Amino acid sequence: QVQLQESGPGLVKPSETLSLTCTVSGGSISSYYWSWIRQPPGKGLEWIGYIYYSGSTNYNPSLKSRVTISVDTSKNQFSLKLSSVTAADTAVYYCARGSGYCTNGVCTMGFDPWGQGTLVTVSS
Amino acid sequence: EIVLTQSPGTLSLSPGERATLSCRASQSVSSSYLAWYQQKPGQAPRLLIYGASSRATGIPDRFSGSGSGTDFTLTISRLEPEDFAVYYCQQYGSSPFTFGGGTKVEIK
Repeated sequence: QVQLQESGPGLVKPSETLSLTCTVSGGSISSYYWSWIRQPPGKGLEWIGYIYYSGSTNYNPSLKSRVTISVDTSKNQFSLKLSSVTAADTAVYYCARGSGYCTNGVCTMGFDPWGQGTLVTVSS
Repeated sequence: EIVLTQSPGTLSLSPGERATLSCRASQSVSSSYLAWYQQKPGQAPRLLIYGASSRATGIPDRFSGSGSGTDFTLTISRLEPEDFAVYYCQQYGSSPFTFGGGTKVEIK
């Protein structure tokens, strides 16, 4: 079965760029939409954006000016870059797959599976 | 952007009781693309329900979803000890995809 694993630095300085990678195992990254979601400590979930295996992307307007999501099909990985971070970007970052039949980024069966998440703290 | 409002914020119940969680959308959710997730402390969310009423693979039948348009409900028919957690609704039919603020189901 497909498994996702986030990786990257756990501590980032203010104004710098947060960089995370999600590695997909047990299945191909092709033909699916892949999302990043974050959750500040003790708070709710926020969708950051998605990428299709072909490279097309869609970002949450609230973060669009600072977000870049890319894909490397040869490594079965996709990545997140968030620039100019502040303490407000401190969160657990999750990657997840769009499930079911997908058209233009909308997948019929929600987000499944998810990675276990990785905590990124923004602090000097 | 579709805003999802979940109520109540906290539900205090005993094992064996029925739980009813509400999710209200600020505008109609496209094609009932409404999901429910369960999250336990230190864990990633787990998909329970998609398409408003379809159970995900491996989800027990005590979990059921209903609703359409702007009003959706997650029902847990008889709470098991492992069901005490936070539950989130999500709409994934209209970008940006959004989540509700969550309902915590706690042991009374």
